[in-house]
Amino acid sequence: QSVLTQPPSASATPGQGVTISCSGSSSNIGSNTVNWYQQLPGTAPKLLIYSNNQRPSGVPDRFSGSKSGTSASLAISGLQSEDETDYYCAAWDDSLNGWVFGGGTKLTVL
Amino acid sequence: EVQLVESGGVVVQPGGSLRLSCAASGFTFDDYTMHWVRQAPGKGLEWVSLITWEGKSTYYAHSVKGRFTISRDNSKNSLYLQMNSLTTEDTALYYCAKDSGKGFGRSFDYWGQGTLVTVSS
Repeated sequence: QSVLTQPPSASATPGQGVTISCSGSSSNIGSNTVNWYQQLPGTAPKLLIYSNNQRPSGVPDRFSGSKSGTSASLAISGLQSEDETDYYCAAWDDSLNGWVFGGGTKLTVL
Repeated sequence: EVQLVESGGVVVQPGGSLRLSCAASGFTFDDYTMHWVRQAPGKGLEWVSLITWEGKSTYYAHSVKGRFTISRDNSKNSLYLQMNSLTTEDTALYYCAKDSGKGFGRSFDYWGQGTLVTVSS
């Protein structure tokens, strides 16, 4: 049972957009910034979004993040086949004094 | 180019001990907090531990506290994870990850490829 809650799966067709949610509490998302990671099959995770809505250099602007209260979202527009993979949210938790991840969302591009 | 190379993962019996290492290059190692993150086979990511830039502050996940010890040697650009009293629940791919800052963490901006720890009799 992950501290942050993500839907286990999401799907959309190529060219469409999709949003993945991440729900937490006042001790994590409610009081700290959220990061998103993309993990392609058989590879290490890659930082996709940091500080709620910032993209590292090299990440396409099709990827965007937002946060409101104790929830965060990752939006992907103009879906491409290579976007079909796993996505994780993460935040620092003030009560646990540690980082917490969501359980991950497997995105399928139909 | 930032590189993180983990080593030390093996098959170990329950109750055993193991020390993982992570060799870092391509950045000023002692400017950044470092983390260990693990992923059990077919499961999601689980943060394990962090150590701040100077090694004075460490934090642990509840699941490993009291059994695992994180350390670093800034003179060798290396991060370590001493793992004791291992159980089958510790079986996972262990990633070394660089933080983007110095404190308890901002984001994990670079990751190694991981080293596999298997706890089995």
